[in-house]
Amino acid sequence: DAGVTQSPTHLIKTRGQQVTLRCSPKSGHDTVSWYQQALGQGPQFIFQYYEEEERQRGNFPDRFSGHQFPNYSSELNVNALLLGDSALYLCASSWDRGSSYEQYFGPGTRLTVT
Amino acid sequence: KNQVEQSPQSLIILEGKNCTLQCNYTVSPFSNLRWYKQDTGRGPVSLTIMTFSENTKSNGRYTATLDADTKQSSLHITASQLSDSASYICVVSQMMDSSYKLIFGSGTRLLVRP
Repeated sequence: DAGVTQSPTHLIKTRGQQVTLRCSPKSGHDTVSWYQQALGQGPQFIFQYYEEEERQRGNFPDRFSGHQFPNYSSELNVNALLLGDSALYLCASSWDRGSSYEQYFGPGTRLTVT
Repeated sequence: KNQVEQSPQSLIILEGKNCTLQCNYTVSPFSNLRWYKQDTGRGPVSLTIMTFSENTKSNGRYTATLDADTKQSSLHITASQLSDSASYICVVSQMMDSSYKLIFGSGTRLLVRP
């Protein structure tokens, strides 16, 4: 059983460009959360998707958007990239009807904006 | 304000020694507290999860404690190994309506030297 997978592993973009990151949740999980982790900092919550809708959102601008597909996989889109968007982007999956115990993280996507 | 504060920010110990990491939180309402280990550039991996009624939980050489009255937690690592070098993140789960929100500390960076 594959755990949470993310693609790509690494990505280099230029300021002003747009980027799409992808996440496949652990088998049996239906909820996907996205986090941004700057170097040396703890993860910051971006948003959570459940039943193909954004259920919760952290303090991130509208440049950050997402989508969840019927198979529960998810995408994170960032428009008009800024240098400050350089970070490790983590996806975590869980099962909504379970306890909040079950949240598993993927390996992350390292985004570098130049 | 819901916050999770960790100390120390970084720590260097010799292989074989013990160490204790601290976590203080002001999150309410509280659901559970987790400790994660995160290797550089990788996703966090859960070490322990404790609810309000649990005051200690072990996972091999890792032992976490929780004092829900003082809102403090600690992670004790026994007989450290080189592979323990990583960031250790304290995460508090906050109950929100029908779902929950994870609030992350900034982590303690541990370096174990031979």
